Amino acid sequence: AQTVTQSQPEMSVQEAETVTLSCTYDTSESDYYLFWYKQPPSRQMILVIRQEAYKQQNATENRFSVNFQKAAKSFSLKISDSQLGDAAMYFCAYRRAPGNQFYFGTGTSLTVIP
Amino acid sequence: GAVVSQHPSWVICKSGTSVKIECRSLDFQATTMFWYRQFPKQSLMLMATSNEGSKATYEQGVEKDKFLINHASLTLSTLTVTSAHPEDSSFYICSARDGGAPTNSPLHFGNGTRLTVT
Repeated sequence: AQTVTQSQPEMSVQEAETVTLSCTYDTSESDYYLFWYKQPPSRQMILVIRQEAYKQQNATENRFSVNFQKAAKSFSLKISDSQLGDAAMYFCAYRRAPGNQFYFGTGTSLTVIP
Repeated sequence: GAVVSQHPSWVICKSGTSVKIECRSLDFQATTMFWYRQFPKQSLMLMATSNEGSKATYEQGVEKDKFLINHASLTLSTLTVTSAHPEDSSFYICSARDGGAPTNSPLHFGNGTRLTVT
């Protein structure tokens, strides 16, 4: 099975600053999808951003962007201009293409300091 | 966007009883749904893959007879925790992917069910 590793159990960032969350994965596949999900205290899983492995360009969604390094099997999430509402657990996820099964990392708990 | 509704959001039951959790895709059809279990401050652990019209596929270590899954239609999957015990207390989350959506479509999650067995 694929493994997804998030090496930072906890991170903190000052409000309005930038923070980067790390994610690495292990796969022998060439085609796959990567996702970052956010889980606030409400425990609702919210999609933050997605990346197709065949795309070289890094995905961006407003203040959220990724640094996708396919050769290194790395998929980090950068949050710019951090806001209090960004405080949550963040999970990196992998899905093979084709396929439906998602593999989640262990999560990073992000604290935003006012 | 695609919505997954999960019910109930929380339930308390006595040890030995059974609890049913429903997961519905409201505006899309889902031939496959996934059931996860999450312990506090931990990741989502895939329990089983629910397949419409056929048997669920369980992950290693998950008891089929304890966690009964039924996926009777393209929009509904149910998880029944049978003969619940306190160690079954946890947060259960269902999810589904819209099979008609583009291949890069994400998983859509229900709001989860907090089960407490007393």
